[in-house]
Amino acid sequence: AQSVTQLGSHVSVSEGALVLLRCNYSSSVPPYLFWYVQYPNQGLQLLLKYTSAATLVKGINGFEAEFKKSETSFHLTKPSAHMSDAAEYFCAVTGSNFGNEKLTFGTGTRLTIIP
Amino acid sequence: DTAVSQTPKYLVTQMGNDKSIKCEQNLGHDTMYWYKQDSKKFLKIMFSYNNKELIINETVPNRFSPKSPDKAHLNLHINSLELGDSAVYFCASSRGTVATYEQYFGPGTRLTVT
Repeated sequence: AQSVTQLGSHVSVSEGALVLLRCNYSSSVPPYLFWYVQYPNQGLQLLLKYTSAATLVKGINGFEAEFKKSETSFHLTKPSAHMSDAAEYFCAVTGSNFGNEKLTFGTGTRLTIIP
Repeated sequence: DTAVSQTPKYLVTQMGNDKSIKCEQNLGHDTMYWYKQDSKKFLKIMFSYNNKELIINETVPNRFSPKSPDKAHLNLHINSLELGDSAVYFCASSRGTVATYEQYFGPGTRLTVT
């Protein structure tokens, strides 16, 4: 079984400041980890994913995340926040389960950008 | 072109009614999903179909019945609607069931049961 915990349901940062959204995972099999973004009244869009290759993963819109097995973490960062980054961010985990893979999502973190 | 589309976008109905939500993808994907997002934004998978075959069926009331007439379509029928069914329902698709495949989400259907 897999699960993810997102610390902080709301995060506010100033425009131009570092964005850090936290995600810790639990998995009984080697995990695959994802970050999705949901803009208001829209569906989810993939930001980036970790699939056991490089531990530092770069995604769209300047976001990146680092897989740290020792800390069971997959935190999302962006060096400089932009107003357009305001959205809900979801961490998700899955693992190879013989064709029955399913994504398990965290509870989400709402990112607010302060002008 | 919309990759994953859902109709309707909004659905307001009374308790006890039966309603359907339709989903279509034009990505040529083999696998489709239904998710439920509750009022606290928690997103949980309900069903998954691969090549029209049901492969994931989470603990969902029997009142919910998915139907996949072909690979490009996955509809969700809900009988005897209850207040607790109010949520946003998302359809998604992916190339296949492999865990690393990206899922593409539709815009969602906001269901309100009064």
